[in-house]
Amino acid sequence: DVKVTQSSRYLVKRTGEKVFLECVQDMDHENMFWYRQDPGLGLRLIYFSYDVKMKEKGDIPEGYSVSREKKERFSLILESASTNQTSMYLCASSGAGVMNTEAFFGQGTRLTVV
Amino acid sequence: DQQVKQNSPSLSVQEGRISILNCDYTNSMFDYFLWYKKYPAEGPTFLISISSIKDKNEDGRFTVFLNKSAKHLSLHIVPSQPGDSAVYFCAASALKTSYDKVIFGPGTSLSVIP
Repeated sequence: DVKVTQSSRYLVKRTGEKVFLECVQDMDHENMFWYRQDPGLGLRLIYFSYDVKMKEKGDIPEGYSVSREKKERFSLILESASTNQTSMYLCASSGAGVMNTEAFFGQGTRLTVV
Repeated sequence: DQQVKQNSPSLSVQEGRISILNCDYTNSMFDYFLWYKKYPAEGPTFLISISSIKDKNEDGRFTVFLNKSAKHLSLHIVPSQPGDSAVYFCAASALKTSYDKVIFGPGTSLSVIP
């Protein structure tokens, strides 16, 4: 059974803190993504990676960075958390050649910045 | 401006009846469309997809219709079941051009009433 696992279901952080969201997939997928989900806005792409140590900006990369040192792990970093980064964060992965097709999502991390 | 629109934030349907979820897109380069289903506190799961070379794709109780000239697609669920109650996201991508993005709509929350 395919699996994308996000390290935390719920996080509460203070403004200005550096925040790490971790995602691990066990499907040997090349492509990994970070989205945030906000009411009325759907899922917006923050960053994605199509290979180890490779990263590309999505639609809303400001205030975020990512790291992909190993194929199975993709980390999202909030350099200095702000209240407008309070959101649901979703990690996903997909296989090579199917970047735009079916993606498998993790269960999500609900981050609250206070 | 949103490239993928789902103009109905919510929909209620009686069990056994048909559910029709609508989606409109603005980018004529989109050539692949997907529907994802999301339960609360879970990540989205892939439901069904359709390529622009088709106008219909069916999978059990789920059928997606594509009208390219109107830039419109719809998801039909027949018969609707209480377990179908979830948020449904429409998504689109341009396989022939950019490999990097799947654009999601804001979602429609479906409630199937027993």
